[in-house]
Amino acid sequence: KAGVTQTPRYLIKTRGQQVTLSCSPISGHRSVSWYQQTPGQGLQFLFEYFSETQRNKGNFPGRFSGRQFSNSRSEMNVSTLELGDSALYLCASSSGGTSGRRYNEQFFGPGTRLTVL
Amino acid sequence: KQEVTQIPAALSVPEGENLVLNCSFTDSAIYNLQWFRQDPGKGLTSLLLIQSSQREQTSGRLNASLDKSSGRSTLYIAASQPGDSATYLCAVRRDGGATNKLIFGTGTLLAVQP
Repeated sequence: KAGVTQTPRYLIKTRGQQVTLSCSPISGHRSVSWYQQTPGQGLQFLFEYFSETQRNKGNFPGRFSGRQFSNSRSEMNVSTLELGDSALYLCASSSGGTSGRRYNEQFFGPGTRLTVL
Repeated sequence: KQEVTQIPAALSVPEGENLVLNCSFTDSAIYNLQWFRQDPGKGLTSLLLIQSSQREQTSGRLNASLDKSSGRSTLYIAASQPGDSATYLCAVRRDGGATNKLIFGTGTLLAVQP
């Protein structure tokens, strides 16, 4: 079974630009969550999508947005990039179900390294 | 507000030693706790998941325990190897509500010396 994939793996942008990151979850998983990881703040939750609906959102400005498609693939968009947006962006998928020994175990992709100059 | 703390922040041990990593959380109303490892510049690899009703989980040389009432979890690594060198993160999912949101600890950077 293929794991979580994220594209692109690396991005370099300049301040003021916008960027779109993509995440393909494990086949059959309906929940996709996004996290930002920085040396200073660690891993912080951005938002979660389940069956194309955002069901939780972290404490980030409105410049950060996302969506999920009917095939469970998800994208996140950051508009008007700032230097502080430089980070590793990680996507996690889980089944979102309520049964099974390891239900709701979350699996992470390799991340997208975003550098804002 | 849930806060997750990991002690120590960094640890260096000789190969073959058994070691324990600690994770503390302030709100005991958790749904589950998951341990991950992260290699430099890479994503997170799931190691063990413990449901709130469980006391421990084992996988190979790894054993994770959970004491929900005291807000603590430990990850025990037996017979450590240089390949175990990585950052270890614990994360909790709160109880109640339809969400997979995880609150992460700050991590323990482990170095196993050959």
